[in-house]
Amino acid sequence: EAGVVQSPRYKIIEKKQPVAFWCNPISGHNTLYWYRQNLGQGPELLIRYENEEAVDDSQLPKDRFSAERLKGVDSTLKIQPAELGDSAVYLCASSPAGYTEAFFGQGTRLTVV
Amino acid sequence: QQQVKQSPQSLIVQKGGISIINCAYENTAFDYFPWYQQFPGKGPALLIAIRPDVSEKKEGRFTISFNKSAKQFSLHIMDSQPGDSATYFCAAISNQAGTALIFGKGTTLSVSS
Repeated sequence: EAGVVQSPRYKIIEKKQPVAFWCNPISGHNTLYWYRQNLGQGPELLIRYENEEAVDDSQLPKDRFSAERLKGVDSTLKIQPAELGDSAVYLCASSPAGYTEAFFGQGTRLTVV
Repeated sequence: QQQVKQSPQSLIVQKGGISIINCAYENTAFDYFPWYQQFPGKGPALLIAIRPDVSEKKEGRFTISFNKSAKQFSLHIMDSQPGDSATYFCAAISNQAGTALIFGKGTTLSVSS
């Protein structure tokens, strides 16, 4: 069974530029998460989807971050414009409905210069 | 407010020794406590988990000890091996509240041979 797939693996952009991350969850997983992991820290939730619906986006900086999950499968996380403080690893995770554990992808390492 | 506090930040153990990582939580609504293991360049992967109705859970060389009254839980790695060198995160979640995992800040374990 394929795991959670994220792309790109690495991204370097200049500040004020836009950037987008893509996630393909494990097939059949209804719940999708985007986490941000700063260097030396644990993952912090940005947004959680149940199918197509964003059920928890309270930690998403909505002035510059946006996310979508079309058809309840793949998801895209966008930052526009990026700031230096956005440099981090962006992790996507998924889980089946009613399941507690989250299965993580390898993440996208973003560097804003 | 950090809901899950993890210590130590880093740990060096000799091969064959016991590694112990501690976590404390504040929210009594948490009802599931997993530990994740993360290798460099990879996403976190579930290692072992416990529910508060048991005081200990063992899987191979990994054991979780849980103290509900103290709101603390710990991970013990017996016979630590160089391949165990990784970053370990404790986490907590309230299934009843329908929330996402909340992670500690992580412990970087180095097992010397």
